[in-house]
Amino acid sequence: SQELEQSPQSLIVQEGKNLTINCTSSKTLYGLYWYKQKYGEGLIFLMMLQKGGEEKSHEKITAKLDEKKQQSSLHITASQPSHAGIYLCGADTGSNYKLTFGKGTLLTVNP
Amino acid sequence: DSGVTQTPKHLITATGQRVTLRCSPRSGDLSVYWYQQSLDQGLQFLIQYYNGEERAKGNILERFSAQQFPDLHSELNLSSLELGDSALYFCASSVGYSGNQPQHFGDGTRLSIL
Repeated sequence: SQELEQSPQSLIVQEGKNLTINCTSSKTLYGLYWYKQKYGEGLIFLMMLQKGGEEKSHEKITAKLDEKKQQSSLHITASQPSHAGIYLCGADTGSNYKLTFGKGTLLTVNP
Repeated sequence: DSGVTQTPKHLITATGQRVTLRCSPRSGDLSVYWYQQSLDQGLQFLIQYYNGEERAKGNILERFSAQQFPDLHSELNLSSLELGDSALYFCASSVGYSGNQPQHFGDGTRLSIL
């Protein structure tokens, strides 16, 4: 099984709707990173979470870390077509700061 | 723009050949990381360098090697290429090597093996 599981694998929403993407680790989390990727392009850093219960927001995107559950969620409020892309979570599980990534969640926002 | 520069953007070559991918980290970043992204395996960590020294190794094949030079740019060398090596190769950089700094990614090099 994957060390880092993301759900859902893909998501199609109507513009203006809220959505949540989840990331669950099978190992202890020392840091959790969210990135966004346009197909075939580089990863854009969104947010970094390090402490249990930590919550960060940037514009309409909010990410939370539940250290006990070894889980993070990314919530987008009032989605826009510009939010479309692949969202990847990366986890630092204590192995010399190499990041392990989930397979990604493909988000489509229909206007 | 992340500030991480990767060249070339695209590379097409044949099986058995050798290629070199280049990465210039963000100004001030001492750590460089290499990742491979393919449809079936996702994004996989290959290797990390900090200030010229290897710090961590991941799923890097023996046919692959990397180094970081005194000016902090890094090169990933891929030899005896196979069809399965076709992938997007990313370089990322961060200030240090501890787990409290984000890694910033370049736009990647798309390698196609014919």
